[in-house]
Amino acid sequence: ELKVEQNPLFLSMQEGKNYTIYCNYSTTSDRLYWYRQDPGKSLESLFVLLSNGAVKQEGRLMASLDTKARLSTLHITAAVHDLSATYFCAVVPNYGGSQGNLIFGKGTKLSVKP
Amino acid sequence: SQTIHQWPATLVQPVGSPLSLECTVEGTSNPNLYWYRQAAGRGLQLLFYSVGIGQISSEVPQNLSASRPQDRQFILSSKKLLLSDSGFYLCAWIDRVSYGRADQRGTDTQYFGPGTRLTVL
Repeated sequence: ELKVEQNPLFLSMQEGKNYTIYCNYSTTSDRLYWYRQDPGKSLESLFVLLSNGAVKQEGRLMASLDTKARLSTLHITAAVHDLSATYFCAVVPNYGGSQGNLIFGKGTKLSVKP
Repeated sequence: SQTIHQWPATLVQPVGSPLSLECTVEGTSNPNLYWYRQAAGRGLQLLFYSVGIGQISSEVPQNLSASRPQDRQFILSSKKLLLSDSGFYLCAWIDRVSYGRADQRGTDTQYFGPGTRLTVL
């Protein structure tokens, strides 16, 4: 069974600081997603990482994927209050029968304080 | 452009009552469709997925069922709701034709609808 673990689960940051959220998964996958969720809202797609060594950046967020280590990171640079949200990573397992089904981590609740 | 709708946005139902949640997708054909549930303290869990009309796969045993009567319509149902059915229900889709194709990797995103918040009392 595929397990996806995120850490930390809660993160309180000061504006202007840098931090990294980690996502580990337990079986082979070459397809990893990062989503953002604001309170009471649905999921917004941030990044899709499809190959080993993939790196994508959007604004103050940068995501990377190491399929050999089964690890993805979401790096936050010079955090601002608008980044406060819950961030989820999700993985599509490689085993047979998978039809794009996402297995989610528990999410990292990020709070950026002035 | 593609859009995904869910109806209703919020719902409060008594225990033992029936349920019907609807999801529709516009602007695409033959998508894969998914139902996820986000319950307090339990994260996001895949409930059902469908690769075509009338084709439903269940990921976890539960009090719910799903149907896909049309290509772009996905329905989540229950005959008798339980307290544990409370949660935020999210429908999602992917473009099945281009999914996983190296020349169209930008379309591999799984898109989520606005969600239905269900409270069972």
